[in-house]
Amino acid sequence: IAGITQAPTSQILAAGRRMTLRCTQDMRHNAMYWYRQDLGLGLRLIHYSNTAGTTGKGEVPDGYSVSRANTDDFPLTLASAVPSQTSVYFCASSESGGGTDTQYFGPGTRLTVL
Amino acid sequence: GQNIDQPTEMTATEGAIVQINCTYQTSGFNGLFWYQQHAGEAPTFLSYNVLDGLEEKGRFSSFLSRSKGYSYLLLKELQMKDSASYLCAVRDGDYKLSFGAGTTVTVRA
Repeated sequence: IAGITQAPTSQILAAGRRMTLRCTQDMRHNAMYWYRQDLGLGLRLIHYSNTAGTTGKGEVPDGYSVSRANTDDFPLTLASAVPSQTSVYFCASSESGGGTDTQYFGPGTRLTVL
Repeated sequence: GQNIDQPTEMTATEGAIVQINCTYQTSGFNGLFWYQQHAGEAPTFLSYNVLDGLEEKGRFSSFLSRSKGYSYLLLKELQMKDSASYLCAVRDGDYKLSFGAGTTVTVRA
């Protein structure tokens, strides 16, 4: 079934640990995105990639890094997790990143940093 | 930065109509989206407006006025399954999406 998968579904992490959230899409979309969703704040863009090999910073990039080695995968890494990174993380993808492009979201990863 | 406002909560009765308003101020404008998000699930696309006017899609309609920085999502013939959060999102001049905090709609029998 075409779509976006994320792993893990949920994770409890000790502060200071390194963590990589995985995202894979099989729709051959060029653009991919990482958002965090916090109560009362809505979805906020962390990082994005308009095409394989390129990445850009969103609204809240500090403490996070991404890579885009190929079209399908867009992992998000927390180098040293802090409690303020407790959130639900959504990966999304879209065909091109422009025009009438619609973003499609993965099921999310619920991360708790203690 | 972007400023997108929508009400936090709304309650309506099954079979009724509810209108969710969204006002925005952005640097550049390349369209407005509405997404639906059920609790614990991913947002799913509902509608897209880039020109002024009304877009109708079954029980859901979305309206845009670019000069007023205003949109609304109209949900008709409400059903219990429509209980969810509705997210207003604006695509700015750099083609990035900025989301409002969402409006939680509760449908009562």
